Amino acid sequence: AAGVIQSPRHLIKEKRETATLKCYPIPRHDTVYWYQQGPGQDPQFLISFYEKMQSDKGSIPDRFSAQQFSDYHSELNMSSLELGDSALYFCASRPGQVNSPLHFGNGTRLTVT
Amino acid sequence: DAKTTQPTSMDCAEGRAANLPCNHSTISGNEYVYWYRQIHSQGPQYIIHGLKNNETNEMASLIITEDRKSSTLILPHATLRDTAVYYCIVRASDNQGGKLIFGQGTELSVKP
Repeated sequence: AAGVIQSPRHLIKEKRETATLKCYPIPRHDTVYWYQQGPGQDPQFLISFYEKMQSDKGSIPDRFSAQQFSDYHSELNMSSLELGDSALYFCASRPGQVNSPLHFGNGTRLTVT
Repeated sequence: DAKTTQPTSMDCAEGRAANLPCNHSTISGNEYVYWYRQIHSQGPQYIIHGLKNNETNEMASLIITEDRKSSTLILPHATLRDTAVYYCIVRASDNQGGKLIFGQGTELSVKP
C-alpha cells in the first residue's frame, strides 16, 4: 500500500540558511500534519492543513511556514535556521473521515551546523 | 483531549504476549483511544484505535475497560522487531484538525 513520502531523507544546512521539506500524502488523503521530534523527545505537533487551508497550529516558530498545494502535497519552509532546529521532521496524512488515524512518513532528518 | 499515563519502560520475552497498559481516567464520551509505536528514528506507526468496544486487527488487540478509564494494548506473540516506544493517545472526535498529541510513551524491550 502507498505510504506518505517525504523528501529529502537527510538534509544538512548551516545556521541562518533556509530549508524546504516536502511531503506527499497517501492518495485520497486530504489532510496533512507536520511534526518535529528533537533528540530524545516525543513528536511535537507543528501545523496541519485540510483541503489546502491551515486547519490547526501548534508550536511552530514564526521562522517556519508551510502550505498545502492543489495536488495535496505539502511543503515546510524553514528560514534563519538555528542549531536547535536540528531534528526529525515527520509528515502525516489522513482521509477526511472523522476519527480516521494519521499515517506517518519516515521523516526528514535535518542537521543544522 | 484527555491526558494519558503509561509506564516508562517494560520488558517482554520473545514469543510471549506483551500487555501495555494506559491510564486515561479523565477521558470523555467522545474521545477515542489510539495506539502508535515508533521504532528508533522511524515515523510513528499506527497500530489500532477504539472508542469503547474491544478491537483486534492483524497487529494487536485493544482492550478498553467498561468505564473507559484505562486500556491495554496486547501484542499476542512479541518478536524482537516489536521493540519500540509505544504511545497511547486520546483524541476527541471533534478535535480541531484531528491532530494527535504525543506524550511520554512506554519503551518496550523484547528480549530473546
